[in-house]
Amino acid sequence: AQSVTQLGSHVSVSEGALVLLRCNYSSSVPPYLFWYVQYPNQGLQLLLKYTSAATLVKGINGFEAEFKKSETSFHLTKPSAHMSDAAEYFCAVSDTFGDDKIIFGKGTRLHILP
Amino acid sequence: DAGVTQSPTHLIKTRGQQVTLRCSPKSGHDTVSWYQQALGQGPQFIFQYYEEEERQRGNFPDRFSGHQFPNYSSELNVNALLLGDSALYLCASSLAVDGSGYEQYFGPGTRLTVT
Repeated sequence: AQSVTQLGSHVSVSEGALVLLRCNYSSSVPPYLFWYVQYPNQGLQLLLKYTSAATLVKGINGFEAEFKKSETSFHLTKPSAHMSDAAEYFCAVSDTFGDDKIIFGKGTRLHILP
Repeated sequence: DAGVTQSPTHLIKTRGQQVTLRCSPKSGHDTVSWYQQALGQGPQFIFQYYEEEERQRGNFPDRFSGHQFPNYSSELNVNALLLGDSALYLCASSLAVDGSGYEQYFGPGTRLTVT
């Protein structure tokens, strides 16, 4: 069964600093991987997705993630944090691209320090 | 182009009651999935509807049921409400067949409080 583990329920970074949110996955088949962002009192917005093409995936708002099969990781990064990046971030995995249920991690709350 | 819409936005119910939540998918989408997000947790998959049939189901009791209409909109019904059913209920829509591969688009959710 697939699963994802997000390391750190809360992460704080200073404005302008590197953002790194960690995600490790477990899957018996080649996975499809996603990062979603959730702003307060809103639904989920897809940041980026990995679908077995390029291992470095670029998403919206300057975020990117790298798929590392040997480490079973899919960490999310952004070179320079902005105050508007403060939100909850969810890593998720699916067996097949959208054709199956999506399994979410527990989320990481990103705090941006002025 | 309207995205996924859900109604109502907030709902307060008493234990033992029944509730119906509604979802209209993004224009052009034919598949609807429902998720439950408890406070401080990630969303958990409830079930998915395609062609008016439940295609897949997560680990939720039979108290949770759904329906999809010919216009692809969907309802989530929960019977015999428990305090633990208090959560944000998210609807996501997608297109079952898409050459570029499809993704799920989420609505803003319905916040259900059971007292």
